[in-house]
Amino acid sequence: EPEVTQTPSHQVTQMGQEVILRCVPISNHLYFYWYRQILGQKVEFLVSFYNNEISEKSEIFDDQFSVERPDGSNFTLKIRSTKLEDSAMYFCASMMDTQYFGPGTRLTVL
Amino acid sequence: DAKTTQPTSMDCAEGRAANLPCNHSTISGNEYVYWYRQIHSQGPQYIIHGLKNNETNEMASLIITEDRKSSTLILPHATLRDTAVYYCIVRVARGKLTFGQGTILTVHP
Repeated sequence: EPEVTQTPSHQVTQMGQEVILRCVPISNHLYFYWYRQILGQKVEFLVSFYNNEISEKSEIFDDQFSVERPDGSNFTLKIRSTKLEDSAMYFCASMMDTQYFGPGTRLTVL
Repeated sequence: DAKTTQPTSMDCAEGRAANLPCNHSTISGNEYVYWYRQIHSQGPQYIIHGLKNNETNEMASLIITEDRKSSTLILPHATLRDTAVYYCIVRVARGKLTFGQGTILTVHP
């Protein structure tokens, strides 16, 4: 059964560094999403992406964040200058009609 | 998206049916009811969804009231592996998912 994959499973970085989180969506899906979950808190929507552009973004998704689909298969989330409060699980999801989630990347900012 | 209300926690004995309720009294006519679950910190797992008819798949059944203001997710024979946080979400087609706190379901032997 096709599934969404994410790499790395765990990323540790120093505050102020740039990180790129990678996702491979399910191959025939057209809609792509990033969510995050701070430890002990709710899953929060960050951004949705369709037809090579952002279709919706939350207040969390500020200028430090960007997304792209560089090669037609990968979908990436870049955080330009990480802060301590960016430490969280980041989930990618893709959708044709129903959203399916990847296993997540645990980002730890020191 | 319409707000949903779920009990904070529920218990269920292994092998018995787990019935998880959800209220969504402000649901709009074009909004679907979706159920996901999350085991520990894994990615949310899709379970089932519906618009107004009852639905069943290999994982669960979804019962939606006629006025669509509430629904019940039924896990017919709960196992220990069904222990998870269950989220009831209403959204328009292709929209973002807005997660609440969900219901912590504990299945015990």
